[in-house]
Amino acid sequence: DSGVTQTPKHLITATGQRVTLRCSPRSGDLSVYWYQQSLDQGLQFLIQYYNGEERAKGNILERFSAQQFPDLHSELNLSSLELGDSALYFCASSVGTSGRTRNNEQFFGPGTRLTVL
Amino acid sequence: SQQGEEDPQALSIQEGENATMNCSYKTSINNLQWYRQNSGRGLVHLILIRSNEREKHSGRLRVTLDTSKKSSSLLITASRAADTASYFCATDVGNYGQNFVFGPGTRLSVLP
Repeated sequence: DSGVTQTPKHLITATGQRVTLRCSPRSGDLSVYWYQQSLDQGLQFLIQYYNGEERAKGNILERFSAQQFPDLHSELNLSSLELGDSALYFCASSVGTSGRTRNNEQFFGPGTRLTVL
Repeated sequence: SQQGEEDPQALSIQEGENATMNCSYKTSINNLQWYRQNSGRGLVHLILIRSNEREKHSGRLRVTLDTSKKSSSLLITASRAADTASYFCATDVGNYGQNFVFGPGTRLSVLP
C-alpha cells in the first residue's frame, strides 16, 4: 500500500460525458501527478501540482483539467469523453520541499479504470 | 518516438537466472528512475539514479547509468517468480517541476 488513494476504482460512462477522478496523496506529500495509461499510448504524464499550484504539464488534452485543493487532494476532470479516453488513470505523489520537486520518488495510487462506451 | 525506450519488450527467464533490461533516452535528464508494475496495478518505485551517478544497488537490483550513451540498465539477480511484472524506466526532464517520461516497458516473466 503506497498511501496514495484514488476513487473511484472503476468508472463506466458514455461518450460526451464528464467525470471527475479524485486522488489523496500520501500524508505530508505536497506534489501530485496525474498519468494516463492506455494500451496504445503507454504511460503518459499529464500534469503535476505542487502545494496547490500547477508545476509541470505533459500531454494533457484541453478537454482535461486538474486542480489541487488546500488540503492537497487533487481532482482530474475529463470532459466531452471519447472512446479513446478509456484508460487507467494514475495519481502519484511525492514529497517536494521548498519548491524543489526533482529527484523525488513518486508513490503511485492503485488507479482508476475509466471505460467510455 | 519515446524519450525512454526499454529493451527488450519482453523477457522470459527461469527462476534463479539474472534479468537485464535496458533503457535508452534522448534528451538530458535530471535523474532516471525504474518502476515495476504488476498487471493492471499501480507502479512501484524501485530505484532512482541521479545524472551524476554511474551505478546504484538496492538488494537484488543493480542499476547503471551512462549519460554519454544516454542509456541505463536494470539488473535483477537471482530472479523469483514474484519478479514477474512490467518494468519501466522514467526520465525526469523537467526544468522546474518533475516532467516524467516513461518508456513502453519490458514485460518480464520468471518461470518457476
